[in-house]
Amino acid sequence: QQQVKQSPQSLIVQKGGISIINCAYENTAFDYFPWYQQFPGKGPALLIAIRPDVSEKKEGRFTISFNKSAKQFSLHIMDSQPGDSATYFCAASWNDYKLSFGAGTTVTVRA
Amino acid sequence: NAGVTQTPKFRVLKTGQSMTLLCAQDMNHEYMYWYRQDPGMGLRLIHYSVGEGTTAKGEVPDGYNVSRLKKQNFLLGLESAAPSQTSVYFCASSWTGANTGELFFGEGSRLTVL
Repeated sequence: QQQVKQSPQSLIVQKGGISIINCAYENTAFDYFPWYQQFPGKGPALLIAIRPDVSEKKEGRFTISFNKSAKQFSLHIMDSQPGDSATYFCAASWNDYKLSFGAGTTVTVRA
Repeated sequence: NAGVTQTPKFRVLKTGQSMTLLCAQDMNHEYMYWYRQDPGMGLRLIHYSVGEGTTAKGEVPDGYNVSRLKKQNFLLGLESAAPSQTSVYFCASSWTGANTGELFFGEGSRLTVL
């Protein structure tokens, strides 16, 4: 069973809109929460990451919101662009070898 | 600077055949990983290595073996391929562990087992 549950499976957003992807976890030992972006035919690449002592982290148009008490975190893509169309994976880790990935969300940005 | 290179990119096998996937990284990373990606399941860790000469099992190791004889290379072997091993395989490497730093992924190897 997956340790990180991700939703939705897919979403479509208009150019300039906001994309929101949610993830939930149970293991309170997790202490590192990265998001990876994957384009078709490519490997995943790190987009942004957060640790549980911070409630929000912003890098450009991408923001992670973290709710430690609810054991949830989310990715917000502001002013979505067609170039943001990709599959996004949330992940969580608590040791130096295991990164548990969510199932992925395919984002399509319509021009 | 090539990063993480996987070969081959595509392969079709018959049930029972064997093969080896090669991963090479030129970033002098200590940690290397093999993941498989299946629709609706994200990426699952097969095996990993924390340094030259070391290997360990991940969450789905059955049917696979690995070796890390050289720091820059991490090989994934299938001794007797099964249709359930049809997947896209990704190799990754990192300088520090998975909970402290970025994993760098290759472009994947698509394997079909008939």
